[in-house]
Amino acid sequence: NAGVTQTPKFQVLKTGQSMTLQCAQDMNHEYMSWYRQDPGMGLRLIHYSVGAGITDQGEVPNGYNVSRSTTEDFPLRLLSAAPSQTSVYFCASSFYPGTGVSEAFFGQGTRLTVV
Amino acid sequence: SQQGEEDPQALSIQEGENATMNCSYKTSINNLQWYRQNSGRGLVHLILIRSNEREKHSGRLRVTLDTSKKSSSLLITASRAADTASYFCAPFGNYGQNFVFGPGTRLSVLP
Repeated sequence: NAGVTQTPKFQVLKTGQSMTLQCAQDMNHEYMSWYRQDPGMGLRLIHYSVGAGITDQGEVPNGYNVSRSTTEDFPLRLLSAAPSQTSVYFCASSFYPGTGVSEAFFGQGTRLTVV
Repeated sequence: SQQGEEDPQALSIQEGENATMNCSYKTSINNLQWYRQNSGRGLVHLILIRSNEREKHSGRLRVTLDTSKKSSSLLITASRAADTASYFCAPFGNYGQNFVFGPGTRLSVLP
């Protein structure tokens, strides 16, 4: 049971490049989400999904796209990287949080630097 | 979705001492969860307390919940250097909420 797996762990991009951060979970969780964490800050929600085919925006969605074609995978796409997107990105999954008894499981993060 | 606000922002104690951190929230909740984040790593779930519970224990962790004051506290007893981390609370209200995290409390346990 691997939990939540994020790849890559580290990435350096040039301004304007695009890339996809991968996230996969093997716990059959309906809910998946992406956060970014800047130095000394909490986590800010980028996008989330409550099931395959359903996605929605979080607090800071601009510059990012997501899709959810399967229950297991929730990739995050940076369309045209900017230095302001330098951050650590975390993917999380859970059973639907609205049930009130679900804990979130987090990946180990992707450290992204845009130069 | 509502965000909890942790207090203090930073806390520094000696190994063996107890550490207390607090969480305040604004609207009624179904449950409140605490998470730990070791430096640069993903958050790890510590404990969940339901709105009808006043206190819960897990090993060296003790969580209290006061719904009248809309606050919760996390007590770590006999702290160890390995407890050095950031701690976040996540309050949950109605169906359909996301996990929303505040800035956290940064705990440093000095040997």
